[in-house]
Amino acid sequence: DVKVTQSSRYLVKRTGEKVFLECVQDMDHENMFWYRQDPGLGLRLIYFSYDVKMKEKGDIPEGYSVSREKKERFSLILESASTNQTSMYLCASSFPKGGTYEQYFGPGTRLTVT
Amino acid sequence: DAKTTQPNSMESNEEEPVHLPCNHSTISGTDYIHWYRQLPSQGPEYVIHGLTSNVNNRMASLAIAEDRKSSTLILHRATLRDAAVYYCILESGGGADGLTFGKGTHLIIQP
Repeated sequence: DVKVTQSSRYLVKRTGEKVFLECVQDMDHENMFWYRQDPGLGLRLIYFSYDVKMKEKGDIPEGYSVSREKKERFSLILESASTNQTSMYLCASSFPKGGTYEQYFGPGTRLTVT
Repeated sequence: DAKTTQPNSMESNEEEPVHLPCNHSTISGTDYIHWYRQLPSQGPEYVIHGLTSNVNNRMASLAIAEDRKSSTLILHRATLRDAAVYYCILESGGGADGLTFGKGTHLIIQP
């Protein structure tokens, strides 16, 4: 079974702190993603990566950066956390299947910034 | 990206079939139709996808209209564990640039 794991299920940080969210997948997938999920807004794509050291902005990259030094690991960084970054963060990886791609999601990290 | 339209919520009884509709009238010829679901307190999980023909797997069936402007996810015998938000998503086959999730349909299963 494909596994996507995230470093924490729950995290509480203070405003201004630097926050690292880690994601690891164990199936050698090329593509990895970070989304955030907020009530009424659904899932929104923050950043994605299709190869080591490659990154692309998603729909809402402001206030975030990412790092992909190894194929299996994709990190989301909040350089200076703010209260409006309180959210559920979901990591995913994908592989090609039948002409399209199937995404596997991690369990999510619920981040609270106080 | 082409958009999808789904009902906000649906209710069904346990052990009965469930038909979840999705409209995608602006679908392009290369768009795949994906369904994901999200159980409470979990990340989304893949359910099924198709392009033109109907598809079956162990979780569900996907019926695609002949003009591809709508599709229906069919759960043949709903259980309480199927209570989730179901998302119908169009994916253009590029794969590397993420999925656009709408609000989905909140499926409620009554015992």
